[in-house]
Amino acid sequence: AQSVTQPDIHITVSEGASLELRCNYSYGATPYLFWYVQSPGQGLQLLLKYFSGDTLVQGIKGFEAEFKRSQSSFNLRKPSVHWSDAAEYFCAVGSGTYKYIFGTGTRLKVLA
Amino acid sequence: KAGVTQTPRYLIKTRGQQVTLSCSPISGHRSVSWYQQTPGQGLQFLFEYFSETQRNKGNFPGRFSGRQFSNSRSEMNVSTLELGDSALYLCASAGLAGTDTQYFGPGTRLTVL
Repeated sequence: AQSVTQPDIHITVSEGASLELRCNYSYGATPYLFWYVQSPGQGLQLLLKYFSGDTLVQGIKGFEAEFKRSQSSFNLRKPSVHWSDAAEYFCAVGSGTYKYIFGTGTRLKVLA
Repeated sequence: KAGVTQTPRYLIKTRGQQVTLSCSPISGHRSVSWYQQTPGQGLQFLFEYFSETQRNKGNFPGRFSGRQFSNSRSEMNVSTLELGDSALYLCASAGLAGTDTQYFGPGTRLTVL
């Protein structure tokens, strides 16, 4: 069955520290992969997406993600976290339709 | 360009009632998808409409239905509300291809008492 796993429910980092959020997927076909961010009371904002090509994808707000087919992973990274990055982050997989499967999310807390 | 708008933003209903939520997509977008977000189940796909036709459907009971109008605006209806239907309902719009970016609205927070 198709699924997305985000193993970390909560992550706390200090401002200025680096960040890596993990995402593993199970998908039979070639996946389309996404990272979204959701601030409290808001909808989802797309950070970046991977369809094909270069496996290192650059997104908005200084985020990047690397697609590793052998590990079925699409981890999100940021070299230096800002207090405004505190939010919930969702990994999602699709197949060329808009029927996305989302992970359960990782809530990021940033310490000043 | 205006983003995806959803009305109302908050709604309180009682069990057994029905509710209609509305979504206006970004101008020019013809695909509208609906998702339910709950703390227990996370984000789950309800259905997608494209050019007034349901193109994809998730695993929800028939109490959940939707439609899309010729101007791409979409409505979602839930009949015979249950307590478990309390959730944030998110609408997303996108262009023609399934590889286009989905833009999400702020959601409608439905509380069923």
